This record gives sequence, structure tokens and C-alpha cells, in this order.
Amino acid sequence: QKEVEQDPGPLSVPEGAIVSLNCTYSNSAFQYFMWYRQYSRKGPELLMYTYSSGNKEDGRFTAQVDKSSKYISLFIRDSQPSDSATYLCAILTGGGNKLTFGTGTQLKVEL
Amino acid sequence: DGGITQSPKYLFRKEGQNVTLSCEQNLNHDAMYWYRQDPGQGLRLIYYSQIVNDFQKGDIAEGYSVSREKKESFPLTVTSAQKNPTAFYLCASSLSSGRAPDTQYFGPGTRLTVL
Repeated sequence: QKEVEQDPGPLSVPEGAIVSLNCTYSNSAFQYFMWYRQYSRKGPELLMYTYSSGNKEDGRFTAQVDKSSKYISLFIRDSQPSDSATYLCAILTGGGNKLTFGTGTQLKVEL
Repeated sequence: DGGITQSPKYLFRKEGQNVTLSCEQNLNHDAMYWYRQDPGQGLRLIYYSQIVNDFQKGDIAEGYSVSREKKESFPLTVTSAQKNPTAFYLCASSLSSGRAPDTQYFGPGTRLTVL
């Protein structure tokens, strides 16, 4: 079993839809939960990270963590064609610097 | 203009050849990392370095070598011992100040193809 599981997609939605991207993890030591966005043939860029259970909002993006279920989500409101990319969840143990990545979910937002 | 640069963007290698991928950062970060990305497998850690003249193996170090002679540079050599080197290689860096989380920032990547 992989430490971090992520549905690879592809996920196709119409412009303006609410998108839900999810990851599950198995290691209870994981403490920091990050979301990266990667455009085709580019390096990943950090979108946001969360530490505790609950929600964190940044513009159209909301990151949600449920530590009891070991489940993390990224919601995108009012999705735009420019949001079309691969979204990677990445998890970090407290005090460490070794990131464990999900496989990434490919998202396409269509006009 | 701060950031991480990787060169070349595309690299072609014949079987049996060693090739070196460049990674430079001007963010004054202490830690640097090399990842490999394959379709359907996410990012896997090859090597990382937390300080100059020191580095550690990641999860898939076999067939690769690195050096860290300068803080801003962390080149990766893909040797002929690497059985399946065709992949997208990503370099990252982080501040490593001891304050969590130690957020990693990525370069634009090098796509290596073995002919």
C-alpha cells in the first residue's frame, strides 16, 4: 500500500464548476499537507499547505484536512480553463523535510 | 529575480553514456533535492542535500550520483548503471531553517530521453 493515494483522473469539468480533489494517507506521523499545481512540462508550484484538521481558504482554493480519516481535499470554486493542470498532494512529517507525494490528479476545465 | 534554474530543458542520451543535469538556485536555501517523475508514479526522491559537502540517498538513488560543492548548485549525474533513465527530472530547494514546515520550491525540470 502506498503511503499516499491519489486518484490520477483525468477529471473533466465545465467552466464554473466546483472541483474536489482528494488524497488519502496511511502514516499518522504526517503533519503538514501541501497541494502543488503542475502545468504540462513544468515544475510543480506550491498552492497552499495546512497543518491541522479543518479548512484553509485562499481565494478560490480551499484545503481541507480530516486527520481522523486520514483524508485531505482541495476544492476549487468557479473553476477556470487556466486551472487545467495536474494537482499533486504532498505530505510532510513534523520537523522533517522528506515530502511524500501522491501520483497527481489531472484536471481539465472545459469552456 | 530569485528562483531555481535547471538546464538543459531537454536532453537526449545514448545508452551507455553518463549525463549531468544542472540545478542552480539563488534563494539562499540550504537544502536541495532531486526528484524523478514518471507517468502514474508521482515524484520520487533520488538524492537530497541539507548542507554543502553533504548529501543523502533518497528512495531511488541507484544509478545516480550527486555533488554539493557550492550552496547554490546541486548537479545530478545519471550514469549508465541507471536501467531506465528516461523521465522528467525535477530539482527543488528549501530553506531548512529548522522551522516547520520546510517548504520545497521546484525548478522547471529537465526531460531526459535515452535513445
